[in-house]
Amino acid sequence: DTEVTQTPKHLVMGMTNKKSLKCEQHMGHRAMYWYKQKAKKPPELMFVYSYEKLSINESVPSRFSPECPNSSLLNLHLHALQPEDSALYLCASSQDPPGTNEKLFFGSGTQLSVL
Amino acid sequence: GNSVTQMEGPVTLSEEAFLTINCTYTATGYPSLFWYVQYPGEGLQLLLKATKADDKGSNKGFEATYRKETTSFHLEKGSVQVSDSAVYFCALRRNSGGSNYKLTFGKGTLLTVNP
Repeated sequence: DTEVTQTPKHLVMGMTNKKSLKCEQHMGHRAMYWYKQKAKKPPELMFVYSYEKLSINESVPSRFSPECPNSSLLNLHLHALQPEDSALYLCASSQDPPGTNEKLFFGSGTQLSVL
Repeated sequence: GNSVTQMEGPVTLSEEAFLTINCTYTATGYPSLFWYVQYPGEGLQLLLKATKADDKGSNKGFEATYRKETTSFHLEKGSVQVSDSAVYFCALRRNSGGSNYKLTFGKGTLLTVNP
């Protein structure tokens, strides 16, 4: 299994809603990542978990809250989002910790629309 | 800081045409260089990489050579297929120092191959 699985594929939410994005991998990878990709733009790193601990937060607003319940799962909890947060949210994983010339495996993403 | 500049798209070619997508970079030290591909509705996939000067990355008929003297990593393919239609991202990562975990992406180049 060389897949990173993200659910849901599409999500529409209001600005007062609370929702969660989920990401799962069964490759035994020890680092997991959240990226945000606006339309026609490159992905931008948001968070990195290494060995289930948050190791990098790229100054992301607190309305985005990551969680790593175990080595296979990564969640992104969303609360009080703004319309400008609408984007494709990509999860990725790597066998090796970040900064060690690791290869990233990306999921297909969750297309989020905030109304 | 680090930056990646890719040729503006979109690029439209006929099947079996020769492809070049230019990529130049600015970075301190000796970064690792990557090409990622994003097919419609999917996440990014690593296409090829090079970790030091004069290295040539290759995969699926695509090639790119790490040219330190011109700070370039141009992507080439001798004969494109319809199935190569996708967005191609050039990226770099520093191999030492701060932020060496972080991929810096170019803006992406949309390639459309017509039959």
